[in-house]
Amino acid sequence: AQSVTQLDSQVPVFEEAPVELRCNYSSSVSVYLFWYVQYPNQGLQLLLKYLSGSTLVKGINGFEAEFNKSQTSFHLRKPSVHISDTAEYFCAVSDLGGGADGLTFGKGTHLIIQP
Amino acid sequence: GAGVSQTPSNKVTEKGKYVELRCDPISGHTALYWYRQSLGQGPEFLIYFQGTGAADDSGLPNDRFFAVRPEGSVSTLKIQRTERGDSAVYLCASSQGRGDIQYFGAGTRLSVL
Repeated sequence: AQSVTQLDSQVPVFEEAPVELRCNYSSSVSVYLFWYVQYPNQGLQLLLKYLSGSTLVKGINGFEAEFNKSQTSFHLRKPSVHISDTAEYFCAVSDLGGGADGLTFGKGTHLIIQP
Repeated sequence: GAGVSQTPSNKVTEKGKYVELRCDPISGHTALYWYRQSLGQGPEFLIYFQGTGAADDSGLPNDRFFAVRPEGSVSTLKIQRTERGDSAVYLCASSQGRGDIQYFGAGTRLSVL
C-alpha cells in the first residue's frame, strides 16, 4: 500500500520569501506524483505533476518540485511567495503499477503568507 | 461545461436520512472518481468509474455508500441511513482515462445533524 506524508501541517512565510513544502511517499512500485492547491471554498487545482523524465518539474504560479527517488520525496518550492499563495497544498501519489486507481493524498500543508 | 460540476454545493440532512450527491464530469472524460475529505485531512479515494462500470470501489467505507454512472457521464453518490460521521466534503474528479490527470469539482459539503 502507498502512503504520503506531509510533515508540516502549517508553514508561515513572509511575503517575497522562499518556501519549501515537504512531501515524502512510500510505495513498492513506480509512481506518479502530484501537487494540488486548494483555495478557500474551491476545488483542488493541479499545480504540477511528475510522470517520468526530468526530475525537476515546473508548474503554474512559479512553483516547482523535484522528484528524488532515493529519498522518496517530492518537495514543492517557490523562490518568492505572494499573498495570493495562501492556500492548502496537497501532495498526492498515483500507484497505477500496483493496481490502485485513485490518488492517495497527504493530509495537506496550510501555507500562510505574512505581509 | 468547462469543468467538473457538483450539486448541491451544500447539503444538510438529519441522521438516518438518505442523500444523493451529483457529479457532472468534463465532457468526454471517461474516468470518474469520488473522494471524501474530512476536516483537516486530505481527500480519501472512494470509487472509480471507467465508463458506466465501477472499476474500483475499494474505498467505499461500508454498504451504506453506493454510486452509479448509468450513461457513462453524470454520476450520483448515494448514502443511505446517514450518520454524523458521514459529514465531510465529497469531491468528484474526472480524467480522460485511467492514470490521466484528474480534474476536481468544488465539492459538496455534507452535514449530518
